[in-house]
Amino acid sequence: QKEVEQDPGPLSVPEGAIVSLNCTYSNSAFQYFMWYRQYSRKGPELLMYTYSSGNKEDGRFTAQVDKSSKYISLFIRDSQPSDSATYLCAFSRMDSSYKLIFGSGTRLLVRP
Amino acid sequence: NAGVTQTPKFQVLKTGQSMTLQCAQDMNHNSMYWYRQDPGMGLRLIYYSASEGTTDKGEVPNGYNVSRLNKREFSLRLESAAPSQTSVYFCASTPGTGGSQPQHFGDGTRLSIL
Repeated sequence: QKEVEQDPGPLSVPEGAIVSLNCTYSNSAFQYFMWYRQYSRKGPELLMYTYSSGNKEDGRFTAQVDKSSKYISLFIRDSQPSDSATYLCAFSRMDSSYKLIFGSGTRLLVRP
Repeated sequence: NAGVTQTPKFQVLKTGQSMTLQCAQDMNHNSMYWYRQDPGMGLRLIYYSASEGTTDKGEVPNGYNVSRLNKREFSLRLESAAPSQTSVYFCASTPGTGGSQPQHFGDGTRLSIL
């Protein structure tokens, strides 16, 4: 079993739709949960960063963590064509480990 | 504010050739990382440097060497390139070590080995 599972997509939605992106993980030691956005031919950029279970909102983006189910989600409201990108979930432990463990990414296409 | 700068952006090599990928950050970060990104595989850590003067292996270090030249610069060297090393290479940095610190990435070097 992979440590992180993420559906590669592509996910195609019309402009204005609510988008739900998800990752599951198996390592119960993960304490930090991140979402990165990666545009074509660019490096990943941090979008959302959360610690522990619950929701975190930033504009049109909401990150949700359910540690009991080992499941994280990213919701995008009022999606725009500029949101078209690959979204990577990432996880790390609370200890001094350097490691970020990444999902393989979900490709999102928002159609005008 | 440049952040993390990688050079070159693109490179084509022949099998057996050597090459050094350069990375520099201007954020005064202590820790730096090299990843490779392959389709369906996500980002995999090759090497990292927790601080100036130290380097450690990541998940896929075979075939690579690194040098932390100073606090700003962290280079990745392929001594004898192989087709399996065709990939997109990303450099990243964080202020310090520890899982609580999100990483800042450069825009990558696209490397093809024929």
